[in-house]
Amino acid sequence: EIVLTQSPATLSLSPGERATLSCGASQSVSSSYLAWYQQKPGLAPRLLIYDASSRATGIPDRFSGSGSGTDFTLTISRLEPEDFAVYYCQQYGSSLLTFGGGTKVEIK
Amino acid sequence: QVQLVQSGAEVKKPGASVKVSCKASGYTFTGYYMHWVRQAPGQGLEWMGRINPNSGGTNYAQKFQGRVTMTRDTSISTAYMELSRLRSDDTAVYYCARAPRGRQYFDYWGQGTLVTVSS
Repeated sequence: EIVLTQSPATLSLSPGERATLSCGASQSVSSSYLAWYQQKPGLAPRLLIYDASSRATGIPDRFSGSGSGTDFTLTISRLEPEDFAVYYCQQYGSSLLTFGGGTKVEIK
Repeated sequence: QVQLVQSGAEVKKPGASVKVSCKASGYTFTGYYMHWVRQAPGQGLEWMGRINPNSGGTNYAQKFQGRVTMTRDTSISTAYMELSRLRSDDTAVYYCARAPRGRQYFDYWGQGTLVTVSS
């Protein structure tokens, strides 16, 4: 099983600031098969990024993904009020799909 | 537009079974794998398994082997997830989620079904 560790657990920032979220894998993620999701309270997750760096349909370009192997990053260039939420990474390079524990981006 | 609409909330006693449905619309149901993911209150996301709606073939996470059964009815574009021998720690929101062809990330999600296990 590939264990994904997200850091930090909580990120306290102000609107307009840059957010950098990390996702570390216990072993290399095949073919950079890593996705990022945003989840707001009471709602289902929403796909942001797939294949480590490809933006999903309709996702603003302030969201970007990077990384390979065991280290991945989600960057939000300038936080908008609607971006305060929990973010999860997910790997799909192995037959057992796994998620990270999440990073909460909260308003400072 | 793609929509996944799940059945309503359930309350079950320990040891019982629950069956959650997920009705798909807006795309060819048999063309995309359907996955099930759950989320315990205040916790993260946990993958349970997937079904190929075309063949009916399934793959389950080892943790749920022997307790989960995923099926589908192609005539009504609906996938089902049944979990048996429920325990209190099965209390969670259960989501169905579609995976694009050739990939296993999730581009569309159902609204979630809360299953509460309590005596």
